[in-house]
Amino acid sequence: AQTVTQSQPEMSVQEAETVTLSCTYDTSESDYYLFWYKQPPSRQMILVIRQEAYKQQNATENRFSVNFQKAAKSFSLKISDSQLGDAAMYFCAYRSALFSSWWAKLVFGKGMKLTVNP
Amino acid sequence: GAVVSQHPSRVICKSGTSVKIECRSLDFQATTMFWYRQFPKQSLMLMATSNEGSKATYEQGVEKDKFLINHASLTLSTLTVTSAHPEDSSFYICSAVPGQGADEQFFGPGTRLTVL
Repeated sequence: AQTVTQSQPEMSVQEAETVTLSCTYDTSESDYYLFWYKQPPSRQMILVIRQEAYKQQNATENRFSVNFQKAAKSFSLKISDSQLGDAAMYFCAYRSALFSSWWAKLVFGKGMKLTVNP
Repeated sequence: GAVVSQHPSRVICKSGTSVKIECRSLDFQATTMFWYRQFPKQSLMLMATSNEGSKATYEQGVEKDKFLINHASLTLSTLTVTSAHPEDSSFYICSAVPGQGADEQFFGPGTRLTVL
């Protein structure tokens, strides 16, 4: 079974600075997707960024980028120019891509609380 | 973007009663929906996978008879908590997948259940 580990339960960053959230995972599969989700105090889950395992290029979405190290099974999220609105719980998640006709479930890490200090 | 709604957003009920939570995909058809449970300051725990027109697949440890899931149409899935007890109090979140080839699932805003 796949597992996702987020070892840092909490982090804080100063507004406008950069912070990196770590995530490692374990799988024997070669084809999969990795995600970072944000859950603000409203509790609405928001997709931040997605990475396909077969792509060597790291995904980027505006201020958010990932460092995907497939061999090391590491998937960290970098938030640049942190804003107060970035304060939230962040969850790393894994999804198998083996079954193209059936949507496999997401496996979530335990989450990490990010505080942004003004 | 794709929108998923949940109703109600909050519900308080007495112990022993049943509560139904609805999950609707508003602007797309969802062949698959997922139901999660989230305790305070914890991660999402998958309860079951719901496919339209077929029985839900429950995760290990989730009581099928207690958490009844019905995916009656391509836009609606319901979770019924039967004979609710205080330990069932939690935040319940659904998500929906637009169909084959979709590379993203969309989450509802969640339902906070409090059982007195």
